Amino acid sequence: EAQVTQNPRYLITVTGKKLTVTCSQNMNHEYMSWYRQDPGLGLRQIYYSMNVEVTDKGDVPEGYKVSRKEKRNFPLILESPSPNQTSLYFCASRDPGQGGKQYFGPGTRLTVT
Amino acid sequence: QQQVKQSPQSLIVQKGGISIINCAYENTAFDYFPWYQQFPGKGPALLIAIRPDVSEKKEGRFTISFNKSAKQFSLHIMDSQPGDSATYFCAASMQGGSEKLVFGKGTKLTVNP
Repeated sequence: EAQVTQNPRYLITVTGKKLTVTCSQNMNHEYMSWYRQDPGLGLRQIYYSMNVEVTDKGDVPEGYKVSRKEKRNFPLILESPSPNQTSLYFCASRDPGQGGKQYFGPGTRLTVT
Repeated sequence: QQQVKQSPQSLIVQKGGISIINCAYENTAFDYFPWYQQFPGKGPALLIAIRPDVSEKKEGRFTISFNKSAKQFSLHIMDSQPGDSATYFCAASMQGGSEKLVFGKGTKLTVNP
């Protein structure tokens, strides 16, 4: 089954404690992205990657890091989480080219206290 | 600066009615306009998308109307059903050379039986 998986699905942590949210896709997609979703703000892109070792900033990259060492994986790293990073996070992937359908993961709900 | 403005924030429609959600964009370099549907607890899913070289695209009960000169596009859901109750997001991107995707803030649609 074609899918994007994220782990963990739920995470409660404390300010300053480094964490990683993993994302993996089994569709051999070149493009992957991370979004955060907040009430009243919709979805905002954090980072995206158009190929292995190629990443670029989205609209809200501050406080986040990503890496793309393998095509299938695109982890999101919060080096020093803060309460304003409490949010619902989605990973997505798609094929390149015009009209490539984007697939979203199930989401990771992060709470930083 | 919000690049894609979506309205209304919420919409209540009777079963069998027409649901209309509107979006306006500012950046004329956008060349791909997808709509996503999101059910509670799930990631967004691509519903339908359009490019600026066509004025309308229809898939089943879902139609996108696109007005390039006004920089507006809208989603019409014909014969709305209770199962269509979800949050809908419009988005815009420049797929030619970037994976940046900008979302509207979303419309919560409720279809009453």
